[in-house]
Amino acid sequence: DGGITQSPKYLFRKEGQNVTLSCEQNLNHDAMYWYRQDPGQGLRLIYYSQIVNDFQKGDIAEGYSVSREKKESFPLTVTSAQKNPTAFYLCASSMGSIVTGELFFGEGSRLTVL
Amino acid sequence: EDQVTQSPEALRLQEGESSSLNCSYTVSGLRGLFWYRQDPGKGPEFLFTLYSAGEEKEKERLKATLTKKESFLHITAPKPEDSATYLCAVQAMNDYKLSFGAGTTVTVRA
Repeated sequence: DGGITQSPKYLFRKEGQNVTLSCEQNLNHDAMYWYRQDPGQGLRLIYYSQIVNDFQKGDIAEGYSVSREKKESFPLTVTSAQKNPTAFYLCASSMGSIVTGELFFGEGSRLTVL
Repeated sequence: EDQVTQSPEALRLQEGESSSLNCSYTVSGLRGLFWYRQDPGKGPEFLFTLYSAGEEKEKERLKATLTKKESFLHITAPKPEDSATYLCAVQAMNDYKLSFGAGTTVTVRA
């Protein structure tokens, strides 16, 4: 079945550590996105990529980094510079390089900073 | 800046009790308005796209409508399996991102 796979589902991090969240898709989608979800708030865009080897900052990119070396993969690194990293992280993809509104989401990764 | 406000924050319904969720938005030129369903601990699942005022979309017990300032998601004769958080999002013209509301959590009791 085609879809988006995020791993790990749960992750615990000590303050000062970098962690990388994996996102892989087999939908042959060009565009991929990372969102952050906090209780009582809407999803907020961290980074997005329309094509391989290119990505743009979203609304809350500070303290995060990404790479897009392969069409299928869009990993997110949460660095120690991110002051409040505890959140639910969602990876998504869409057909084509222009968002049609139909995003396909993964199951999410819940990061907790101890 | 695009803004999306959803109300109410939470809605508790008895099975069969129809109701509506509201999504108010401000955007500089609407490309599209989108509804998603999200189950606890899962990623959102796409439901509908609406592009212009007056447009309606239906799927099973759900019906989405759109005006120039808001969208409604009507749930007709809900069942317990309709319990979820419903998210609304908008996309402006010439923009690649979606702006999401905080969602309405619907609980349907048998």
